[in-house]
Formats: sequence, structure tokens, C-alpha cells
Amino acid sequence: AQKVTQAQTEISVVEKEDVTLDCVYETRDTTYYLFWYKQPPSGELVFLIRRNSFDEQNEISGRYSWNFQKSTSSFNFTITASQVVDSAVYFCALSEALGAQKLVFGQGTRLTINP
Amino acid sequence: EPEVTQTPSHQVTQMGQEVILRCVPISNHLYFYWYRQILGQKVEFLVSFYNNEISEKSEIFDDQFSVERPDGSNFTLKIRSTKLEDSAMYFCASSKRGQGPEQYFGPGTRLTVT
Repeated sequence: AQKVTQAQTEISVVEKEDVTLDCVYETRDTTYYLFWYKQPPSGELVFLIRRNSFDEQNEISGRYSWNFQKSTSSFNFTITASQVVDSAVYFCALSEALGAQKLVFGQGTRLTINP
Repeated sequence: EPEVTQTPSHQVTQMGQEVILRCVPISNHLYFYWYRQILGQKVEFLVSFYNNEISEKSEIFDDQFSVERPDGSNFTLKIRSTKLEDSAMYFCASSKRGQGPEQYFGPGTRLTVT
């Protein structure tokens, strides 16, 4: 069975600090996808990034970066120079590459950026 | 930019009543999903739908639930006889799958069962 663990329930930092959100996953599939979604206070789920299991290249998009390490089954998300608008709940998710590709979500990390 | 839409945004119903939650997926997407999120908890998969049939469903998706694509644009979730524990945010999602397995979510319908 697939499982995603986000051990950090809540993180609070001061604006401009860097912050890393941890994600550890379990799967028996050899090919799979990993995702990060953002849920701002308004409640919608916003897609941020997808990584394929066969592509361990890290990715940077502006202030956001993602570190995928298959050896430790981790897919961590770092925000540099955090801003108040980054305050949200962040979910890491996993799906099989075949089949219905349902998303299995972690519990989420509530990130609060204080001015 | 195309987006998934859901109606209504909030539905209040009495226990035992039937509700239908509606979704319009992104037009060129072929795979559709329903998820729910009980307040303060994680997002849980309910059902996936492709080619006019259910491709996978979770243990939550019991006989009280059904899905339908009544026309070329709408995708509905029906709860036949609501229970208090059905109170949650229900999200619809769609994906193109092969060209990008990421799922795009609608804004959600908050269902309150009293």
C-alpha cells in the first residue's frame, strides 16, 4: 500500500527565512509520481509540482525548490526568502504511474509566515 | 486558463437527504476524480472515473455514493442518504493523464449535514 508521511504538522517562521517541508513516502511500485499541492486559507488545492520516479533531478522554480531522493524515499520542498503569501497548508502526494493514478496525500504541513 | 468548476460552493442538508454535487472538469481532460477532506484532516480519495465507468473506488465510496457523467461536460457525485459524518469539503479533480498526470482541483463544495 502507498503511504505519505509529513511529520511536521505546523511550522512557523518569520518572513524572509528559508523553510523546508519534509515528505517521506512508501510504495511498492517501481514507477510512480510525486506531487506537492498548496492549500491557501481560501481552501482550494493548487498544484505546484510533479516529479516522476525515474527522474531524480532537483527542480527550482523561483523561490521554490524540490529535492527528490529515491534512496531515502523523500521529496522535500524548500521555500527560500519566505513571504507572508506563502502561508498555507502544503500537501505532499503520491500516485502510481499505472492504473487509476489516485492521489494518496500526506497529512499536510501548516506553514505560517509571520511578518 | 481552463479550470475545474464546482457547484454549489456550500450545501447544507438534513441527515437522510440526497445531495448531488456537480463538477465541470477541464474540457480536454479524460480522467475525473472525487476526493473529500474532513475539516482539518488530509485529503482522501473517493473515486476515479474514466470512459464512463468507475476505474477505482475507495472503502469510503460505499453504496450510498454514486458518480455520473450525464453529458459531455458535467461530472456529478450523489450521496443517496447523507449522514452526519459525510460533512466535509468535496473536491473534484481532472487530469489529462498521459500528457501530464497532475490532477487539477476545483474549488470544492463544503457539505454540511445537520
